[in-house]
Amino acid sequence: DTAVSQTPKYLVTQMGNDKSIKCEQNLGHDTMYWYKQDSKKFLKIMFSYNNKELIINETVPNRFSPKSPDKAHLNLHINSLELGDSAVYFCASSQFGRSETQYFGPGTRLLVL
Amino acid sequence: QKEVEQDPGPLSVPEGAIVSLNCTYSNSAFQYFMWYRQYSRKGPELLMYTYSSGNKEDGRFTAQVDKSSKYISLFIRDSQPSDSATYLCASGGETSGSRLTFGEGTQLTVNP
Repeated sequence: DTAVSQTPKYLVTQMGNDKSIKCEQNLGHDTMYWYKQDSKKFLKIMFSYNNKELIINETVPNRFSPKSPDKAHLNLHINSLELGDSAVYFCASSQFGRSETQYFGPGTRLLVL
Repeated sequence: QKEVEQDPGPLSVPEGAIVSLNCTYSNSAFQYFMWYRQYSRKGPELLMYTYSSGNKEDGRFTAQVDKSSKYISLFIRDSQPSDSATYLCASGGETSGSRLTFGEGTQLTVNP
């Protein structure tokens, strides 16, 4: 029974396209996150939502737009994809105020050609 | 300067060895410290977290924090081939609901 799931697992697309990644958690958490992990394994926070409200928005191009339809889901839409967007994107969740106990999804491997 | 620095390795040890993984951090406001394990092509998995200076033990794993020197360590006793993974340290807690800052990970291989 998967706690944090992401779809798709792999995404190969051309530069300039628009794509979305979906995330769902069944842990009953109220805070969800998006991270980007580059080829050197460096994991960096992009966004955080608490109960559908944006609480962390790091310096990310505005081509990236998160959307949270409810507290169990956090999707990431990327417009006008660039080569540099190629990375692994991880979704995570926790209880609010307990970011030290985040649970991560399996990741979405995005390759922009 | 990165807020959390971690030697990326790679680190290769024989089975049964004691492994020491280390990080330093620069932000005095960090309140809690975590270690994550990430197997190849998988998501990070929380191993341990701690709030204070000192040691915290969980089976073969011991997390150590020294806030005075801003040093974080993870010790693995009796290392096993199944411990082969990338280990990520992380810190956070400047404010409620704050972001985590990760080190770049140390790749560990335990050879049978």
